[in-house]
Amino acid sequence: NAGVMQNPRHLVRRRGQEARLRCSPMKGHSHVYWYRQLPEEGLKFMVYLQKENIIDESGMPKERFSAEFPKEGPSILRIQQVVRGDSAAYFCASSLDTFENYGYTFGSGTRLTVV
Amino acid sequence: AQSVTQLDSHVSVSEGTPVLLRCNYSSSYSPSLFWYVQHPNKGLQLLLKYTSAATLVKGINGFEAEFKKSETSFHLTKPSAHMSDAAEYFCVVNTRGSRLTFGEGTQLTVNP
Repeated sequence: NAGVMQNPRHLVRRRGQEARLRCSPMKGHSHVYWYRQLPEEGLKFMVYLQKENIIDESGMPKERFSAEFPKEGPSILRIQQVVRGDSAAYFCASSLDTFENYGYTFGSGTRLTVV
Repeated sequence: AQSVTQLDSHVSVSEGTPVLLRCNYSSSYSPSLFWYVQHPNKGLQLLLKYTSAATLVKGINGFEAEFKKSETSFHLTKPSAHMSDAAEYFCVVNTRGSRLTFGEGTQLTVNP
């Protein structure tokens, strides 16, 4: 079992470009979560998805950010028109079922740098 | 609302001495609490979790934590620090549904 795979590990974008971050959950996991870690801070919840559905997006910024988890393929976190303040580490986690029953496993993160 | 406060942003110990990383929580009901460790440029690894069973929880790598309801604390300890323990440690509470709330982190430095 390869664990939660995130790519790319490092991503550099110029201001105004788009960033696409991918997360492949563990085999058999249908629940995906995205967290953001700003420099010198803890992780902050962004969004919780199940296959083809957004369950909780209360932590997502209202503009420029979107997430999806299609029936086939990885979950994608998309950031349009990036700004310097988007520079952070973005972590994905997956679980077999709800967190209360199974907990979840984190990936190694994508470190986004906006220049 | 549930939250956690990590009382020290940096802790420095000598190799072979005890480690104490402090965490207080705020919760309107019995929480699920966790400690995660993050090594530089790596992902997060679960050290241990408390889910209302035994109040003394043993984790990996010799770490343990004690849930004290009267003090609303969940401090992480280890009897003897190793150089490989140097990392950032996060105290975490399970808030609503499947959402985790992280503390701000404690950077542990282990000196030779």
